[in-house]
Amino acid sequence: GQSLEQPSEVTAVEGAIVQINCTYQTSGFYGLSWYQQHDGGAPTFLSYNGLDGLEETGRFSSFLSRSDSYGYLLLQELQMKDSASYFCAVSSGSARQLTFGSGTQLTVLP
Amino acid sequence: DGGITQSPKYLFRKEGQNVTLSCEQNLNHDAMYWYRQDPGQGLRLIYYSQIVNDFQKGDIAEGYSVSREKKESFPLTVTSAQKNPTAFYLCASSIGAGSYNEQFFGPGTRLTVL
Repeated sequence: GQSLEQPSEVTAVEGAIVQINCTYQTSGFYGLSWYQQHDGGAPTFLSYNGLDGLEETGRFSSFLSRSDSYGYLLLQELQMKDSASYFCAVSSGSARQLTFGSGTQLTVLP
Repeated sequence: DGGITQSPKYLFRKEGQNVTLSCEQNLNHDAMYWYRQDPGQGLRLIYYSQIVNDFQKGDIAEGYSVSREKKESFPLTVTSAQKNPTAFYLCASSIGAGSYNEQFFGPGTRLTVL
């Protein structure tokens, strides 16, 4: 089966940098994705790592180490609107279906 | 505007009744998915479909059924066999399931069984 671990809560102040870690155990691993979900809303895609290394998209970056079964999402220049839940998800299986972690609730304080 | 629609946003049913949740997409995506989300939890895969007239069970398919008669539509039926159906249900689609593709989510249906 698949299992993912990420912290349940993270708090930071506006303008700061925060890193959300994700460790996983899975078979047939293809890649690691990150999704953002505001309260009561639909998840939205942030990033995908299929290979080791860092992917940067604006204020957000994501990193993957396949040998360590580890990845992280880095959020820079935090804004109040970044307060949300962040989910890592592994892509595996013949259909590359996603298995999600339990999510990290990020609270950005003024 | 292209996107995924789910209706209704809130749904109430009595225990023992089957209920069908609607999911429609006009993104011309081949793959569609149903997830269940419980408070404070991640998304768990119920069923997915890679192509019309074909679907596979996900991690928690018991008590649910689906159909995929049209590319645009992937309705989910929550049957009376589902022991704890109250949850937030999310539908998603992607271009194809054979290679990595970003999943696009609908707004969700919050089902409460009384």
